[in-house]
Amino acid sequence: EVQLVESGGGLVQPGRSLRISCAASGFTFDDYAMHWVRQPPGKGLEWVSGISWNSGSRGYADSVKGRFTISRDNAKNSLYMQMNSLRAEDTALYYCAKDTSGHYGDGMDVWGQGTTVTVSS
Amino acid sequence: QSVLTQPPSVSGAPGQRVTISCTGSSSNIGAGYDVHWYQQFPGTVPKLLIYGNSNRPSGVPDRFSDSKSGTSASLAITGLQAEDEADYYCQSYDSSLSGSVFGGGTKLTVL
Repeated sequence: EVQLVESGGGLVQPGRSLRISCAASGFTFDDYAMHWVRQPPGKGLEWVSGISWNSGSRGYADSVKGRFTISRDNAKNSLYMQMNSLRAEDTALYYCAKDTSGHYGDGMDVWGQGTTVTVSS
Repeated sequence: QSVLTQPPSVSGAPGQRVTISCTGSSSNIGAGYDVHWYQQFPGTVPKLLIYGNSNRPSGVPDRFSDSKSGTSASLAITGLQAEDEADYYCQSYDSSLSGSVFGGGTKLTVL
């Protein structure tokens, strides 16, 4: 079964850091690009970041550029997002999603259940 | 303000045809990048509905179709059913942002 399982979310104070993870199974992880997409409570989807199959290409939304870093470990079938200088507006459900190709920018056909990040003092 | 613009809501009666528009610019849809569509029910994970060149993942009925012209794209749903009531999002790649972008989402109500 193709599956993505996120972890690492939680309550964090503004200005602090958090690292979220996504464990993939059921498909050849290093064949595909991966994404982080977030959804604030009651709002729409926002693409946060994407990484190509071999980590050779990475992209970020302007809202997180310079603060968030996406990475992957193909040996561990895992995707990560290091989030620094967190702000209240980063509060959201963070989804890990699999691209349909090796280069981010195509459709996302598999999604995890998400991990909640709450930034509050 | 989303890079891709969708109407906040659309509605239709059972059996009717509805369309949801997605308007972009010359750096995304107008540049020839594919548009992808997602369906999301309240409290659930988004589901890929259409991707690439009008491809439908296994299990998505052919009542769902898409089209593209210039800087805009549309999702069409024919034979509207009560279970189609959900939020719909478009997504594409933007070359000026060097990343993906989503539309703001459209809530479909089946009357």
